[in-house]
Amino acid sequence: NAGVTQTPKFRVLKTGQSMTLLCAQDMNHEYMYWYRQDPGMGLRLIHYSVGEGTTAKGEVPDGYNVSRLKKQNFLLGLESAAPSQTSVYFCASSKELRGRGPSISNQPQHFGDGTRLSIL
Amino acid sequence: AQSVTQLDSQVPVFEEAPVELRCNYSSSVSVYLFWYVQYPNQGLQLLLKYLSGSTLVESINGFEAEFNKSQTSFHLRKPSVHISDTAEYFCAVKRTGNQFYFGTGTSLTVIP
Repeated sequence: NAGVTQTPKFRVLKTGQSMTLLCAQDMNHEYMYWYRQDPGMGLRLIHYSVGEGTTAKGEVPDGYNVSRLKKQNFLLGLESAAPSQTSVYFCASSKELRGRGPSISNQPQHFGDGTRLSIL
Repeated sequence: AQSVTQLDSQVPVFEEAPVELRCNYSSSVSVYLFWYVQYPNQGLQLLLKYLSGSTLVESINGFEAEFNKSQTSFHLRKPSVHISDTAEYFCAVKRTGNQFYFGTGTSLTVIP
């Protein structure tokens, strides 16, 4: 019963390098999210997805791209890493309640343990 | 506009003393409210939630929160804290749509 799994857990990059963070969930959740957590700023939403093949921008999407090719996976990519992207990244997923009018999911999110990314 | 405000960034409290972590939200429509706890080097875990019905919600480890619509607040309380309650606590709001809005967090430190 893994829940939400993030890989890798730690990574150090040089400025300009690219990398992909992987998030996998085994709960058959429709919604998936990527956040970054920085001191004094709480969690800020980068991108999210409401289903396989869909993505949408969150609060701080610049410098990141995402893909949701499979329902269980949500990838976060940094094409050209910058020191300002040093952060702890969290993936989350949640279940959608269907048949209740407009899409209003009141289900809580389930979080992974985070990926600590440092960019030098 | 700030959707969720956690008024205290750090709260030190002695063991077995009561604690209140404050959360206010800004919304003119119905919301769903959550408190999450984050232990060191871990992800966020749901502590409790308000969806509808009774305005007082409780968690299994003694925390409770009360939804106050007139004051747009969802403060978290515990009558007697333990060392193990030391953690970061986040208030979150979900309105119509697909996004959650998190506060900046309150670091609770329980002093022996």
